[in-house]
Amino acid sequence: EDQVTQSPEALRLQEGESSSLNCSYTVSGLRGLFWYRQDPGKGPEFLFTLYSAGEEKEKERLKATLTKKESFLHITAPKPEDSATYLCAVQAGDGQNFVFGPGTRLSVLP
Amino acid sequence: SAVISQKPSRDICQRGTSLTIQCQVDSQVTMMFWYRQQPGQSLTLIATANQGSEATYESGFVIDKFPISRPNLTFSTLTVSNMSPEDSSIYLCSAGTGGEPQHFGDGTRLSIL
Repeated sequence: EDQVTQSPEALRLQEGESSSLNCSYTVSGLRGLFWYRQDPGKGPEFLFTLYSAGEEKEKERLKATLTKKESFLHITAPKPEDSATYLCAVQAGDGQNFVFGPGTRLSVLP
Repeated sequence: SAVISQKPSRDICQRGTSLTIQCQVDSQVTMMFWYRQQPGQSLTLIATANQGSEATYESGFVIDKFPISRPNLTFSTLTVSNMSPEDSSIYLCSAGTGGEPQHFGDGTRLSIL
C-alpha cells in the first residue's frame, strides 16, 4: 500500500530562519511527487512536481528535492506570508490517484 | 493551469437531508476527483469521476452515500446523502491528468446539525 508521512507535524520559525520539511514515501513505482501549500479556508495550491531522484525545483524562497525514499522542501529566509500547511502527495505507477501526507503546519513569526 | 470553482462554498444542513456540491472547471479535463478533508487533517480521496462511465470509489465510500455525476469534461457533482453529523467536513474537488498536478477548488464547508 502506498504511504506518505511528513515531518515535523508543526514547525515554528522566526522570520529569516531557514529550515526543511520532510516527506517520506513508500510507493510501488513513483510516477510523481507533488508539493502543495494550503492556506486556511482554501484548497491546496500547487507548488512543485518532482519525477525522479536527484531532481530539484525552485520557486522564490522554496526549493524541493527528491531522493528514492523522500523529498525535502527547503525554505530559505522565510517570511510571515510563508505560513501555511504544506502537503506532499505521491502518484504511483500508471495510476491516476494521489496519496496525500498529513501535512506540516508552518508558522513564521515576525 | 485549470481553474476550479465549487458551489456552495459552505452550508449548514439538517440531519437526514442531502446536499449536492457542484464543481466547474474552466477547461476540458480528463479526470476529476472528490476528496474529504476533516478539520486539521489531510485529504482523503472519495472517488474519481470519469466522464461517460461510473465513478470509481475508494474503500470506505459507497455510491449510495456519495453519488457522483460527470455529464461532460468540465463539470461534476457530488451528493452527500442522508447526512449525519459525521459527514461534517470540507469537500474538495480537483482536476488533473495522469502524471500532471491536480488543481483544486476552495472546497465546500459542510456542517450537519
